[in-house]
Amino acid sequence: GAVVSQHPSWVICKSGTSVKIECRSLDFQATTMFWYRQFPKQSLMLMATSNEGSKATYEQGVEKDKFLINHASLTLSTLTVTSAHPEDSSFYICSARSRVGDTQYFGPGTRLTVL
Amino acid sequence: QQQVKQSPQSLIVQKGGISIINCAYENTAFDYFPWYQQFPGKGPALLIAIRPDVSEKKEGRFTISFNKSAKQFSLHIMDSQPGDSATYFCAASLKGSARQLTFGSGTQLTVLP
Repeated sequence: GAVVSQHPSWVICKSGTSVKIECRSLDFQATTMFWYRQFPKQSLMLMATSNEGSKATYEQGVEKDKFLINHASLTLSTLTVTSAHPEDSSFYICSARSRVGDTQYFGPGTRLTVL
Repeated sequence: QQQVKQSPQSLIVQKGGISIINCAYENTAFDYFPWYQQFPGKGPALLIAIRPDVSEKKEGRFTISFNKSAKQFSLHIMDSQPGDSATYFCAASLKGSARQLTFGSGTQLTVLP
């Protein structure tokens, strides 16, 4: 089956630092990748959609200068949380959709804690 | 119009029972309806998905029932097991879009042994 990995699985950082999260599709080419944020006991909130080689499309209310997304290849997308603050602490999940089909396959998530 | 409403918020079922989770949508342009299962601290995993031209789809113990006229769809888990205890999300996506998913609010299922 389609596998999506994320790295790191958890990260703790100090306020004001930047954190990069990687999302990789391991056995398929992902033309589109998505980044979500999830708070405890809540649903997934779409942050942005990225297509390989083009700029990400951010959802309303998501600061594009704070959450930098790069989709440099068909198997890799990165999310960088710049100048992180405690309110950015959350569970960040990526998903990927292949060239063929409508299914999104999700990564295992990254737990970010900003002190 | 982009919302997907999911109920119940939580569900407790005895082992061997049937778990039923319901979702309703407004936008008739949705044409793909997946269900995801999520365990604590993990990403969602696709369980089963359906398109509006089919009224029912079954995969093992999991069945989706789809009512196009009522704009509702539901997940049935037959012979529920303690290992099924997780949060379940319904979702929907639009034809011709980047296939962004609109998620329901989730149902926390607990299956008692």
